Parts: sequence; structure tokens; C-alpha cells
Amino acid sequence: AQKITQTQPGMFVQEKEAVTLDCTYDTSDPSYGLFWYKQPSSGEMIFLIYQGSYDQQNATEGRYSLNFQKARKSANLVISASQLGDSAMYFCAMDTGGGNKLTFGTGTQLKVEL
Amino acid sequence: NAGVTQTPKFRVLKTGQSMTLLCAQDMNHEYMYWYRQDPGMGLRLIHYSVGEGTTAKGEVPDGYNVSRLKKQNFLLGLESAAPSQTSVYFCASTRQPDIYGYTFGSGTRLTVV
Repeated sequence: AQKITQTQPGMFVQEKEAVTLDCTYDTSDPSYGLFWYKQPSSGEMIFLIYQGSYDQQNATEGRYSLNFQKARKSANLVISASQLGDSAMYFCAMDTGGGNKLTFGTGTQLKVEL
Repeated sequence: NAGVTQTPKFRVLKTGQSMTLLCAQDMNHEYMYWYRQDPGMGLRLIHYSVGEGTTAKGEVPDGYNVSRLKKQNFLLGLESAAPSQTSVYFCASTRQPDIYGYTFGSGTRLTVV
């Protein structure tokens, strides 16, 4: 069975600082994908970044980067230069079926402060 | 470019009533999913479909049925609503998740009283 663990229910960061949101995963499947989604207070789910299990380099998308440590089964999201608009719930998720399903963690509520 | 559209956005049901949630996507995606989101539990998969005419059970399928008669539509039915089904329901679809990720609808907030 697949499992995603996010141990930080809530995080605070000051504007312009970097923040790391933790995610660990468990799967016996050698092929998998890791995703991060942002859910602002308006409720929609916004795709941020993807990392494949066979990707050699860490994924980056603008201010978002994924710190992928395969041996430790971790896929932490790093947000650089935080902005007030980054305040939201962040979900880590894993897909082991090539589209068969996506398993989510419980989320981390990020609050960016002035 | 509408993406994934869910209807209705809000609904209040009485215990025992039935209803159908509609998810429509205009991106020609093969895969479609229904999730429910509850506080402190993230999103949990109810049912999913890997193509027109196919459906499969997810993590929490009890009390729900689905149909995928047309590629662009994925229907979620509640035959006899229970208060435990009070939740926010999200539909998602994808063509190739490793490149495009999954596209989500805006959600349906369902309250069963």
C-alpha cells in the first residue's frame, strides 16, 4: 500500500524567507511520481511541481523546488522568497499506477507573515 | 478552456435522499477521479475511471456509485445520503500525470442533515 506522511500540520514563515514543507512516502513500487499541490482558501487544487522516481535531478518550477531524497523516501517542497499569496494548504501526493490513482498526505497549512 | 467543471457547487441533502454529482472535462483525458476532502484527512479516493465505460473502487467507495458512459463525463451518485457523507467532493482528470499533473475541478460542498 502507498502512504504519504506530512508531519507539519502548520507552518509560519516571514515574507521573503524560504520555507521547507516536509513529505515522506512509502511504496514498494519502483516506479512512482511525486506531486505537490496548493489549495488556497478559495478551495481549488493547484498543481505546483512533479518529480519522477527515475529523475536524476530535483524538479524546479519558478520559486518551487522539490528536494528529492530517494534513499530516505522524502520529497520536501522548498518555496523560496515567500510571498503573502503563498499562504495556503499544501498537499504532497504520490502516483504509483501511471495514472491509476493519486494518494494524498494530510496537508500542511502555510501562513506567510509580514 | 473550461478544464474540469463540477456541478453543483453547493448542495444540502436530507438523510436518505439521493443525488448525482456531475464532473465534465473538455481536455480529452482518459483518466478521471472522484475524491472527498475532510478536515485533517487530506483527499481520499472514492472511485476512478481509466477510460470510457470503465470504473474502479478507490479507498472509500462505500455508499457511492459512479458511471463513465461518455469519455468527458464522470458521475458520482449517492443513493441514500448519510451525515457521514458531508464533505467537499473533488473531481480530477489527467492524460499524462508525469507531465501535466492532475487537473482538479473547483469542488462540491455537500452537507447531509
